[in-house]
Amino acid sequence: AQTVTQSQPEMSVQEAETVTLSCTYDTSESDYYLFWYKQPPSRQMILVIRQEAYKQQNATENRFSVNFQKAAKSFSLKISDSQLGDAAMYFCAYSPSEKLVFGKGTKLTVNP
Amino acid sequence: KAGVTQTPRYLIKTRGQQVTLSCSPISGHRSVSWYQQTPGQGLQFLFEYFSETQRNKGNFPGRFSGRQFSNSRSEMNVSTLELGDSALYLCASSLVALAGGDTQYFGPGTRLTVL
Repeated sequence: AQTVTQSQPEMSVQEAETVTLSCTYDTSESDYYLFWYKQPPSRQMILVIRQEAYKQQNATENRFSVNFQKAAKSFSLKISDSQLGDAAMYFCAYSPSEKLVFGKGTKLTVNP
Repeated sequence: KAGVTQTPRYLIKTRGQQVTLSCSPISGHRSVSWYQQTPGQGLQFLFEYFSETQRNKGNFPGRFSGRQFSNSRSEMNVSTLELGDSALYLCASSLVALAGGDTQYFGPGTRLTVL
């Protein structure tokens, strides 16, 4: 079965600090895509970062970067210089083909 | 460019009724996917439509159905509502089909409550 596991239901970080959210997935596919989506309270889900499995280079997007370990099936998200606006639910998602499988999410709290 | 819109935003129904939710994708997007979000099960994939054809379907009963029109707008229908169908239903659109790994743009969701 294709599953995505986010082992940290909740995380907190001090403003301006760095935090890493974990994600592992189970697949037998060799070609797929990985995503981190952010869902702020009562607001729409938006893409944070996207990674293509065939690319070894880790994706980065401003303060957001990933550590993609294909062999370990691990895809963690690092948020640097955390800001109050980063507070949200973060979902890791995996797309093998024609579907998107989400993890249960990590609630990130940013403390001022 | 306008984002993904969903109507209605809130809906209250009783058990046994049916409901139709609507999703208008971003202009030019041909793929529309639907998801059910609940506190217990999280986000679960319902189905994807691309160019008016259902490409894939998640593990949901046949009471959940959908369709896509020629202008890419999509509707989702749930018949014979059950209490467990109470959820936030999200729709997402993308330029190409899910198989292409394209970024999905999500709508605000329709909050369905079944009494």
